[in-house]
Amino acid sequence: AIRMTQSPSSLSASTGDRVTITCRASQAISSYLAWYQQKPGKAPKLLIYAASTLQSGVPSRFSGSGSGTDFTLTISCLQSEDFATYYCQQYYTYPRTFGQGTEVEIK
Amino acid sequence: EVQLVESGGGLVQPGGSLRLSCTASGFTFSSYSMNWVRQAPGKGLEWVSYISSTSNNIKDADSVTGRFTISRDNAKNSLYLQMNSLRVEDTAVYYCARDPAAFNPAAFDIWGQGTMVTVSS
Repeated sequence: AIRMTQSPSSLSASTGDRVTITCRASQAISSYLAWYQQKPGKAPKLLIYAASTLQSGVPSRFSGSGSGTDFTLTISCLQSEDFATYYCQQYYTYPRTFGQGTEVEIK
Repeated sequence: EVQLVESGGGLVQPGGSLRLSCTASGFTFSSYSMNWVRQAPGKGLEWVSYISSTSNNIKDADSVTGRFTISRDNAKNSLYLQMNSLRVEDTAVYYCARDPAAFNPAAFDIWGQGTMVTVSS
């Protein structure tokens, strides 16, 4: 199975900050990479697919980049509603695998 | 409104069985592949099982192979997960998730709210 490793596991930030989360795949996955946001007690929500394509309705402060094995999720100007846990996922092959998550907390 | 609603979770003893359901609305269910994803308490997301739109392609995680069976009834807009020989480590919230893949792989674009399965004696 392809292992997805996110860093950091958690971070503290303030509203207005620029935040970057990285995700590394144990083997090349082209651009078959998605980012999800999950708030406590809620289902995950798709933010970005194909490594850099914003899902409909997702604010433009979210952006993604990368291909192959190294990917990033950037939140350009953190808003209060962005405090959540973020997961990357590869959908290049089965089993589909997720990163361990990055919790974005309020500083 | 596009929606997925899971049901069927509950408390079951180790070795027992449970059948989860996921009912779709607001879209043409029969045109989409579907998945089950689970999340143990305080843990990350784990993909469990996949079924194609016509049920002709099914894939399972190694952790559930031989114990869990995914199925669907397109006439009822419903997805199922039959879980047998349940273990304590199967305790999790189980989500169904839509897979819009047609010719190329795709991310999971719609998720249900989840149903909790607790395996305990």
